[in-house]
Amino acid sequence: GENVEQHPSTLSVQEGDSAVIKCTYSDSASNYFPWYKQELGKRPQLIIDIRSNVGEKKDQRIAVTLNKTAKHFSLHITETQPEDSAVYFCAASDSSGGSYIPTFGRGTSLIVHP
Amino acid sequence: NAGVTQTPKFQVLKTGQSMTLQCAQDMNHEYMSWYRQDPGMGLRLIHYSVGAGITDQGEVPNGYNVSRSTTEDFPLRLLSAAPSQTSVYFCASSYQTGGDEQFFGPGTRLTVL
Repeated sequence: GENVEQHPSTLSVQEGDSAVIKCTYSDSASNYFPWYKQELGKRPQLIIDIRSNVGEKKDQRIAVTLNKTAKHFSLHITETQPEDSAVYFCAASDSSGGSYIPTFGRGTSLIVHP
Repeated sequence: NAGVTQTPKFQVLKTGQSMTLQCAQDMNHEYMSWYRQDPGMGLRLIHYSVGAGITDQGEVPNGYNVSRSTTEDFPLRLLSAAPSQTSVYFCASSYQTGGDEQFFGPGTRLTVL
């Protein structure tokens, strides 16, 4: 089955800095890669996703990049703000009928210091 | 739409007790799943369902049962609670499997003494 590794487990930055979280996956059939943000005591919520026919996707201060050859994808947050502090999860799945069950990484705790 | 709802929000059980965590969604989603979240372990899949009448095991199914008699509801049953089942439980749903956003419920914090 699919295996998703996520690094780092904890990331501490100063407000205004950039933050990068990286994930690798094992199943070359995976073609959907979402990122979820979970604030303390809340449910995970989708913040951005990318499909395998796209190399990069941006939404204001967040972006995701995908390298299918190397089987890794990354979340980039620019101009970080204290409200970006949360746990971020990556996931991978195959929407074409293979390992369609999403597999999650273990999460990255992002701390943005004012 | 209420989205995905879960009850109860908090529960304390004694070892050996049984209980059912309720999950419902009003988005007509076919795919529903249960995860448990433990510190440093991320979201681990317990059971999932791709439609009414169809369920299957995830990564950590032992000690849990599920059923899916309707599209809307997907209850999780703990047969004989153990301290190792102390966790936060999330139900999730999506329109289809694989390539779709997962909508999570608010979670149930379960403590087994």
